[in-house]
Amino acid sequence: DAGVIQSPRHEVTEMGQEVTLRCKPISGHNSLFWYRQTMMRGLELLIYFNNNVPIDDSGMPEDRFSAKMPNASFSTLKIQPSEPRDSAVYFCASSLHLMNTEAFFGQGTRLTVV
Amino acid sequence: ILNVEQSPQSLHVQEGDSTNFTCSFPSSNFYALHWYRWETAKSPEALFVMTLNGDEKKKGRISATLNTKEGYSYLYIKGSQPEDSATYLCAFSGSNSGYALNFGKGTSLLVTP
Repeated sequence: DAGVIQSPRHEVTEMGQEVTLRCKPISGHNSLFWYRQTMMRGLELLIYFNNNVPIDDSGMPEDRFSAKMPNASFSTLKIQPSEPRDSAVYFCASSLHLMNTEAFFGQGTRLTVV
Repeated sequence: ILNVEQSPQSLHVQEGDSTNFTCSFPSSNFYALHWYRWETAKSPEALFVMTLNGDEKKKGRISATLNTKEGYSYLYIKGSQPEDSATYLCAFSGSNSGYALNFGKGTSLLVTP
């Protein structure tokens, strides 16, 4: 398996624009997580899915953020409208099960909002 | 937001030194404690998953212990090598937070020759 695949690797966008980050989890993994990495807060959990169903989105900072998982092999994280303070590295991770199994991380998307 | 604390924030040791870091986490509703290694320009990679009080895990020169009753875990590196330089993250999974991993901010280790 190629591992967790995220796209794009880098995104530069203007404030106010819509940004969509994509993630393909490892085949057969039932759980998918979106994290945001910043210097101040470290790795923050934004939202996670189990069997394609969102379980907890309490980490999503604002209504401008939304995430979907239409099927077991694809998830998106959307920011609309984007703001400069959204600039960060966004990681997607998947695990075989929600409980007790290690998470495998994608390479991350570095987002810069100017 | 769960309080997962790691110390020290950063550490600089000489090649051959042994070192250890601490992760503290809520002792209630504990389910699992994970350790990850994160090299610069790469993604975090799992080192250990521990679930039982008193668990000890080992992988080469790296080992970890777990105390769920007092809410801490130690990661040890014996005879540090420059390739051990990385950020070491711990993550807590609890039954009152849906079992998702909540990460500490990590300990950044630099090993110089």
